[in-house]
Amino acid sequence: AQSVSQHNHHVILSEAASLELGCNYSYGGTVNLFWYVQYPGQHLQLLLKYFSGDPLVKGIKGFEAEFIKSKFSFNLRKPSVQWSDTAEYFCAVNIKNTGKLIFGQGTTLQVKP
Amino acid sequence: SAVISQKPSRDICQRGTSLTIQCQVDSQVTMMFWYRQQPGQSLTLIATANQGSEATYESGFVIDKFPISRPNLTFSTLTVSNMSPEDSSIYLCSAGGAGGNSGNTIYFGEGSWLTVV
Repeated sequence: AQSVSQHNHHVILSEAASLELGCNYSYGGTVNLFWYVQYPGQHLQLLLKYFSGDPLVKGIKGFEAEFIKSKFSFNLRKPSVQWSDTAEYFCAVNIKNTGKLIFGQGTTLQVKP
Repeated sequence: SAVISQKPSRDICQRGTSLTIQCQVDSQVTMMFWYRQQPGQSLTLIATANQGSEATYESGFVIDKFPISRPNLTFSTLTVSNMSPEDSSIYLCSAGGAGGNSGNTIYFGEGSWLTVV
């Protein structure tokens, strides 16, 4: 069965530190890839997405992610985090363009001021 | 992008009762789905809401417990039946396939936070 794995369950960083959250998926065919963010007490919001083309995609709030097909990975990065980036981050994969998303377990990011 | 509205946003429900959650999209979409997010966990797909026909349920979810309707391309409902405390979760509606620049981007509603007592 297809799955999505996020390696970091809980990450604590100081402001201005760089961030990289890992995401790997298990499926050999065409995928659409997403990162969503859920701020405390708020709903799920789309950070960025990859469908095709340039494997380095840029999203909102300075986030970017790189799709590496050979590694089945879609890691999320931000050069300098802010306290306001404290949130839960979810990687998700859309298999075969069905629209059905398989989510990773989520990573809790805590940024200390 | 598609804007998705859910009602109710929160509710406290009595054990054994049923609650229907409504999901309204501001544009016609080809795909609508319902997810559950239990406390401290990730999202799990409950079912695909099919317009004009029975929903397609994922393993572990059944129509008797989670009946779903989708009468048109912009609206769907999910009912959580005969609730127990284990059903306390956030229930999220998602939609996509609006076409144009959105492609198959999947958007989510704000969720309906249900607490069963």
